[in-house]
Amino acid sequence: QKEVEQDPGPLSVPEGAIVSLNCTYSNSAFQYFMWYRQYSRKGPELLMYTYSSGNKEDGRFTAQVDKSSKYISLFIRDSQPSDSATYLCAVPPNTGNQFYFGTGTSLTVIP
Amino acid sequence: EPEVTQTPSHQVTQMGQEVILRCVPISNHLYFYWYRQILGQKVEFLVSFYNNEISEKSEIFDDQFSVERPDGSNFTLKIRSTKLEDSAMYFCASSSFQGGLNSPLHFGNGTRLTVT
Repeated sequence: QKEVEQDPGPLSVPEGAIVSLNCTYSNSAFQYFMWYRQYSRKGPELLMYTYSSGNKEDGRFTAQVDKSSKYISLFIRDSQPSDSATYLCAVPPNTGNQFYFGTGTSLTVIP
Repeated sequence: EPEVTQTPSHQVTQMGQEVILRCVPISNHLYFYWYRQILGQKVEFLVSFYNNEISEKSEIFDDQFSVERPDGSNFTLKIRSTKLEDSAMYFCASSSFQGGLNSPLHFGNGTRLTVT
């Protein structure tokens, strides 16, 4: 079983819509959960990270972790065309250095 | 804001040739990484480097690959004899602490390697 699974999309929404991006993970021992955003031909940039279960909000973005179901989500409110990018969930290991990335979900916000 | 820089942005090479990809990590970071992303696929871990030695490597990082920190700022990835399947985007990253302990990765914009 892969460490992190993510629906690749693509996802296309109108401007102003609420976007929900999701991942599942396999190892219940994972504690930190991250979302990276990757614009075309750029490196991934850290968007948000959360520890353990619960929600974390930053402006229009909310990251949510449900450890009971091993499910992580990123919600984008009032989506903007500038949010068009690929969103990658990532899980760092509890030991070692090998981050596990999802395949990324491609999002397009249509003006 | 400090950033990771990578050069070149695009490298085209013939199969069997050696390539060196270069990176300048964020200056006060201690851990350095190479990841790659084949078109349409996941970002994959290659290697991590700390205290002038490899701390972890994946199955992908075979004898054709090597890393080096030749001076206080540069971090390089060498592929000795490139294969067609090495064509990918190669990302350098750095972090201030060991990955996984509340220390996110900071990525460069990548080098697109095309092997013909």
